[in-house]
Formats: sequence, C-alpha cells, structure tokens
Amino acid sequence: SQTIHQWPATLVQPVGSPLSLECTVEGTSNPNLYWYRQAAGRGLQLLFYSVGIGQISSEVPQNLSASRPQDRQFILSSKKLLLSDSGFYLCAWRKEGPVTQYFGPGTRLLVL
Amino acid sequence: AQSVAQPEDQVNVAEGNPLTVKCTYSVSGNPYLFWYVQYPNRGLQFLLKYITGDNLVKGSYGFEAEFNKSQTSFHLKKPSALVSDSALYFCAVEGRRAGSYQLTFGKGTKLSVIP
Repeated sequence: SQTIHQWPATLVQPVGSPLSLECTVEGTSNPNLYWYRQAAGRGLQLLFYSVGIGQISSEVPQNLSASRPQDRQFILSSKKLLLSDSGFYLCAWRKEGPVTQYFGPGTRLLVL
Repeated sequence: AQSVAQPEDQVNVAEGNPLTVKCTYSVSGNPYLFWYVQYPNRGLQFLLKYITGDNLVKGSYGFEAEFNKSQTSFHLKKPSALVSDSALYFCAVEGRRAGSYQLTFGKGTKLSVIP
C-alpha cells in the first residue's frame, strides 16, 4: 500500500531563516505531487505541483520554492522566511487521471 | 475554471440526528467531486468521490453524498451523527490545468456534533 510522509511535524523558525520541508511517497511510482498551505485551519491554497522529476509548476508568486530531486520526493524551500509564511503545509500525491488525491500528515510552521 | 462553494462556515447538529454539509460546484464538462475530512492538526482524509454512475455515493464512516446535476450540488450526509464526526469538511472538484489534474477546494465547513 502507498504511504506519504512529511517532516518535520512541527517547526518554529525565526524571520529571515531558511526553510526546508520534505515529503516522500512510498509504494508507488511517478506520482503527481502537490504542496498546499492552509492558513488559520481553513481553506487550502495550492502552492506547487509536479508531474515528474525536475518538473515544477507554481500556482502563486511567493517567497517559497519547490524541487523534486527524486521520483517520490518533493521539497518545499525558502531562503528567507517571512511572518506570513506561517501555516500548516500539506503534501499530497496522486496518480495521473481523475483519481483520489491522498494527503500527508502535514507540517505546522510558525515563523516568529 | 472550476469552483466550489460551501455556503456554511459551521454546522451544529445534535448527536443521533441526521447531518447535511452542503456543497455546490461549477465546472465545464463532467464533474469529478470529492469530500475530505480534517481533524485538528491532521492531514485531509478521503471520504468519498463521485466520478460517474449512481448519484448516491457511499463512503467511509457511514457518510454518503448525493450528486445532483441539475442543481450542481454534492451534499454530504449521514443518517445519525456521532460526536466523533466533529471535524472540518472539505468539498473539492477536479479539473485539468496545464497538463495536470488538480483539485479545487471549498473553504471548508466546521461540523460540531453536540452530545
């Protein structure tokens, strides 16, 4: 069966510091991968998605970037965090087609 | 472009009573619709989906949803609510953009089941 992991689970970082969040998927190959941010426990904002290694599409201009160095690894990064980057970050995967998308457990980021 | 509306920010229901969480959608072409549930500080869990076939879709934990094409709705229902059903519920519609399938989510509805 497939599983999706995210780490760390919780992160507290000062403003201006770098960020690296990792997401990995097990039990499948060539998944579509997604990064979402959820602010204030509500709506989901799609940040990035990837259909293959090295292929990244950005949905909104922002302080963040994403990379996919391996087939089942998706990384969310920032060179300098802003207060507004605080939130709950969710990674998700799916196979191509109108099939179910599955979410990871999330990372809670607090920027102080 | 597709969109989803969840008109209620919060729904309160007494334990044992039936519950309904509303969702309407807008999409060109055939709609692919999903419901997810989120417990505090957790990721989203898949509940059910409509791709094609019967308008009444059954999912996890006793939930079901009714697809109504004429009203462009996909309301989530459960005959008898449990306190443990209290959570945040998201409706989503599938769309294809720039070569990839993507979900568009509603803003979420907080369900509180009162003992």
